Amino acid sequence: ETAVFQTPNYHVTQVGNEVSFNCKQTLGHDTMYWYKQDSKKLLKIMFSYNNKQLIVNETVPRRFSPQSSDKAHLNLRIKSVEPEDSAVYLCASSGDVANTEVFFGKGTRLTVV
Amino acid sequence: GDSVTQTEGLVTLTEGLPVMLNCTYQSTYSPFLFWYVQHLNEAPKLLLKSFTDNKRPEHQGFHATLHKSSSSFHLQKSSAQLSDSALYYCAYNTNTGKLTFGDGTVLTVKP
Repeated sequence: ETAVFQTPNYHVTQVGNEVSFNCKQTLGHDTMYWYKQDSKKLLKIMFSYNNKQLIVNETVPRRFSPQSSDKAHLNLRIKSVEPEDSAVYLCASSGDVANTEVFFGKGTRLTVV
Repeated sequence: GDSVTQTEGLVTLTEGLPVMLNCTYQSTYSPFLFWYVQHLNEAPKLLLKSFTDNKRPEHQGFHATLHKSSSSFHLQKSSAQLSDSALYYCAYNTNTGKLTFGDGTVLTVKP
Protein backbone atom coordinates (compact mmCIF):
# COMPACT_ATOMS: atom_id res chain seq x y z
CA GLU A 1 0.00 0.00 0.00
CA THR A 2 1.49 3.32 -1.13
CA ALA A 3 2.19 5.86 1.58
CA VAL A 4 4.70 8.04 -0.27
CA PHE A 5 2.98 9.94 -3.05
CA GLN A 6 4.76 11.58 -5.94
CA THR A 7 3.46 13.82 -8.68
CA PRO A 8 3.67 13.84 -11.60
CA ASN A 9 4.29 10.24 -12.68
CA TYR A 10 5.93 11.37 -15.92
CA HIS A 11 7.23 14.63 -17.27
CA VAL A 12 8.71 15.45 -20.66
CA THR A 13 10.37 18.81 -21.10
CA GLN A 14 12.93 20.64 -23.18
CA VAL A 15 16.50 21.50 -22.26
CA GLY A 16 16.68 24.69 -20.22
CA ASN A 17 13.18 24.51 -18.76
CA GLU A 18 12.37 24.50 -15.05
CA VAL A 19 10.54 21.57 -13.50
CA SER A 20 9.16 20.80 -10.04
CA PHE A 21 8.30 17.47 -8.53
CA ASN A 22 6.13 17.01 -5.48
CA CYS A 23 6.30 14.42 -2.73
CA LYS A 24 4.11 13.79 0.28
CA GLN A 25 4.31 11.03 2.88
CA THR A 26 1.47 9.99 5.18
CA LEU A 27 3.53 7.80 7.51
CA GLY A 28 4.31 10.48 10.07
CA HIS A 29 8.04 10.06 9.38
CA ASP A 30 10.69 12.59 10.35
CA THR A 31 13.12 11.95 7.50
CA MET A 32 12.60 12.32 3.76
CA TYR A 33 14.90 11.75 0.79
CA TRP A 34 15.31 12.30 -2.91
CA TYR A 35 17.07 9.62 -4.93
CA LYS A 36 17.95 9.56 -8.62
CA GLN A 37 17.67 6.28 -10.55
CA ASP A 38 19.39 6.55 -13.91
CA SER A 39 19.01 4.53 -17.10
CA LYS A 40 21.44 1.90 -15.76
CA LYS A 41 19.27 1.58 -12.65
CA LEU A 42 21.95 3.07 -10.41
CA LEU A 43 20.21 4.49 -7.34
CA LYS A 44 21.99 7.50 -5.86
CA ILE A 45 20.95 9.68 -2.95
CA MET A 46 20.66 13.38 -3.70
CA PHE A 47 19.24 14.96 -0.54
CA SER A 48 18.04 13.99 2.91
CA TYR A 49 15.91 16.08 5.26
CA ASN A 50 15.23 15.43 8.94
CA ASN A 51 12.52 17.48 10.60
CA LYS A 52 12.63 19.95 7.70
CA GLN A 53 16.39 20.40 8.05
CA LEU A 54 18.78 19.44 5.28
CA ILE A 55 21.19 16.79 6.61
CA VAL A 56 22.58 15.18 3.47
CA ASN A 57 23.45 17.05 0.31
CA GLU A 58 25.45 14.90 -2.08
CA THR A 59 27.44 16.31 -4.96
CA VAL A 60 24.44 17.52 -6.89
CA PRO A 61 24.50 20.34 -9.49
CA ARG A 62 23.26 23.69 -8.17
CA ARG A 63 20.29 23.65 -10.52
CA PHE A 64 18.74 21.06 -8.18
CA SER A 65 17.08 22.47 -5.07
CA PRO A 66 14.94 20.62 -2.52
CA GLN A 67 12.12 22.42 -0.73
CA SER A 68 10.49 21.28 2.50
CA SER A 69 7.45 23.08 3.88
CA ASP A 70 6.85 20.57 6.66
CA LYS A 71 7.93 17.08 7.71
CA ALA A 72 5.44 15.43 5.37
CA HIS A 73 6.42 17.25 2.19
CA LEU A 74 9.64 17.39 0.23
CA ASN A 75 9.62 18.85 -3.26
CA LEU A 76 12.40 18.99 -5.83
CA ARG A 77 12.99 21.80 -8.27
CA ILE A 78 15.35 21.71 -11.22
CA LYS A 79 16.03 25.20 -12.55
CA SER A 80 17.36 24.54 -16.01
CA VAL A 81 17.20 20.91 -17.00
CA GLU A 82 19.89 19.23 -19.05
CA PRO A 83 19.76 15.96 -21.02
CA GLU A 84 21.66 14.06 -18.30
CA ASP A 85 18.86 14.88 -15.86
CA SER A 86 16.66 12.33 -17.63
CA ALA A 87 16.02 9.71 -14.97
CA VAL A 88 13.48 8.47 -12.45
CA TYR A 89 13.41 10.59 -9.30
CA LEU A 90 12.37 8.64 -6.25
CA CYS A 91 11.13 10.24 -3.07
CA ALA A 92 11.37 8.27 0.15
CA SER A 93 10.84 8.57 3.89
CA SER A 94 11.90 6.85 7.10
CA GLY A 95 11.14 7.12 10.80
CA ASP A 96 14.55 8.58 11.55
CA VAL A 97 18.09 8.64 10.19
CA ALA A 98 19.12 5.37 11.84
CA ASN A 99 18.48 1.72 11.08
CA THR A 100 14.87 2.02 9.99
CA GLU A 101 13.06 0.98 6.86
CA VAL A 102 13.00 3.48 4.02
CA PHE A 103 9.72 3.67 2.12
CA PHE A 104 9.82 4.75 -1.51
CA GLY A 105 7.31 6.40 -3.75
CA LYS A 106 6.77 5.11 -7.28
CA GLY A 107 8.90 7.83 -8.77
CA THR A 108 8.67 10.60 -11.33
CA ARG A 109 10.16 9.75 -14.71
CA LEU A 110 11.75 12.85 -16.26
CA THR A 111 12.64 12.91 -19.94
CA VAL A 112 14.59 15.89 -21.24
CA VAL A 113 14.48 16.34 -25.00
CA GLY B 1 35.33 5.54 1.90
CA ASP B 2 32.30 3.46 2.75
CA SER B 3 30.89 1.38 -0.07
CA VAL B 4 28.86 -1.69 -0.92
CA THR B 5 29.59 -3.97 -3.86
CA GLN B 6 27.31 -6.31 -5.73
CA THR B 7 29.46 -8.41 -8.00
CA GLU B 8 26.80 -9.59 -10.45
CA GLY B 9 24.85 -7.22 -12.63
CA LEU B 10 22.71 -9.96 -14.14
CA VAL B 11 21.77 -13.36 -12.79
CA THR B 12 19.63 -15.76 -14.81
CA LEU B 13 18.55 -19.12 -13.48
CA THR B 14 15.87 -21.75 -13.80
CA GLU B 15 12.88 -21.97 -11.51
CA GLY B 16 13.52 -24.25 -8.56
CA LEU B 17 17.26 -23.70 -8.40
CA PRO B 18 18.88 -21.93 -5.44
CA VAL B 19 19.55 -18.22 -5.51
CA MET B 20 22.56 -16.41 -4.16
CA LEU B 21 23.20 -12.74 -4.79
CA ASN B 22 26.47 -11.38 -3.49
CA CYS B 23 26.96 -8.29 -1.37
CA THR B 24 30.16 -7.15 0.32
CA TYR B 25 30.82 -3.88 2.07
CA GLN B 26 33.63 -1.62 3.17
CA SER B 27 32.99 0.61 6.14
CA THR B 28 34.94 2.36 8.85
CA TYR B 29 32.07 1.70 11.25
CA SER B 30 29.69 -1.22 11.67
CA PRO B 31 26.94 -0.47 9.20
CA PHE B 32 23.41 -1.79 9.04
CA LEU B 33 22.89 -3.82 5.86
CA PHE B 34 19.70 -4.11 3.84
CA TRP B 35 18.33 -5.85 0.77
CA TYR B 36 15.75 -3.96 -1.28
CA VAL B 37 13.77 -5.40 -4.18
CA GLN B 38 12.24 -3.51 -7.09
CA HIS B 39 9.79 -5.21 -9.40
CA LEU B 40 9.11 -3.78 -12.84
CA ASN B 41 7.36 -0.40 -12.69
CA GLU B 42 7.17 -0.50 -8.92
CA ALA B 43 8.93 1.30 -6.07
CA PRO B 44 11.90 -0.33 -4.33
CA LYS B 45 10.84 -1.94 -1.07
CA LEU B 46 12.63 -3.50 1.87
CA LEU B 47 13.18 -7.25 1.69
CA LEU B 48 15.58 -7.85 4.60
CA LYS B 49 17.73 -6.00 7.08
CA SER B 50 20.59 -7.11 9.31
CA PHE B 51 20.26 -7.47 13.04
CA THR B 52 22.81 -6.46 15.61
CA ASP B 53 22.38 -9.69 17.53
CA ASN B 54 23.42 -12.04 14.71
CA LYS B 55 19.88 -13.26 14.08
CA ARG B 56 19.29 -14.31 10.51
CA PRO B 57 16.54 -12.24 8.89
CA GLU B 58 14.11 -14.06 6.61
CA HIS B 59 11.31 -12.87 4.37
CA GLN B 60 9.40 -14.45 1.48
CA GLY B 61 11.81 -17.40 1.56
CA PHE B 62 14.86 -15.18 1.28
CA HIS B 63 17.49 -14.96 4.01
CA ALA B 64 20.82 -13.22 4.50
CA THR B 65 23.51 -13.56 7.13
CA LEU B 66 25.78 -10.71 8.13
CA HIS B 67 29.35 -11.97 8.30
CA LYS B 68 31.54 -9.28 9.80
CA SER B 69 34.67 -11.38 9.28
CA SER B 70 34.19 -11.32 5.50
CA SER B 71 32.18 -8.06 5.36
CA SER B 72 29.38 -9.80 3.51
CA PHE B 73 25.58 -9.93 3.51
CA HIS B 74 24.72 -12.31 0.68
CA LEU B 75 21.07 -12.89 -0.22
CA GLN B 76 19.95 -16.50 -0.53
CA LYS B 77 16.87 -18.53 -1.32
CA SER B 78 16.69 -22.29 -1.58
CA SER B 79 14.34 -22.42 -4.56
CA ALA B 80 13.75 -19.62 -7.05
CA GLN B 81 10.24 -18.75 -8.22
CA LEU B 82 9.21 -16.95 -11.39
CA SER B 83 7.85 -14.11 -9.25
CA ASP B 84 11.33 -13.52 -7.81
CA SER B 85 12.40 -11.92 -11.09
CA ALA B 86 13.26 -8.35 -10.12
CA LEU B 87 16.06 -5.88 -9.43
CA TYR B 88 17.77 -6.43 -6.08
CA TYR B 89 19.80 -3.80 -4.28
CA CYS B 90 22.10 -4.29 -1.33
CA ALA B 91 22.36 -1.14 0.80
CA TYR B 92 23.95 0.11 3.99
CA ASN B 93 23.31 2.83 6.54
CA THR B 94 25.84 4.14 9.05
CA ASN B 95 23.23 6.22 10.95
CA THR B 96 24.20 9.35 9.08
CA GLY B 97 20.88 9.83 7.35
CA LYS B 98 22.16 8.31 4.16
CA LEU B 99 21.10 4.91 2.86
CA THR B 100 23.66 4.01 0.19
CA PHE B 101 22.83 1.44 -2.47
CA GLY B 102 24.96 -0.97 -4.46
CA ASP B 103 24.70 -1.04 -8.24
CA GLY B 104 21.94 -3.63 -8.18
CA THR B 105 21.53 -7.17 -9.53
CA VAL B 106 18.84 -8.06 -12.03
CA LEU B 107 17.53 -11.54 -11.27
CA THR B 108 15.68 -13.32 -14.04
CA VAL B 109 14.03 -16.64 -13.23
CA LYS B 110 13.03 -18.76 -16.23
CA PRO B 111 10.61 -21.70 -16.35
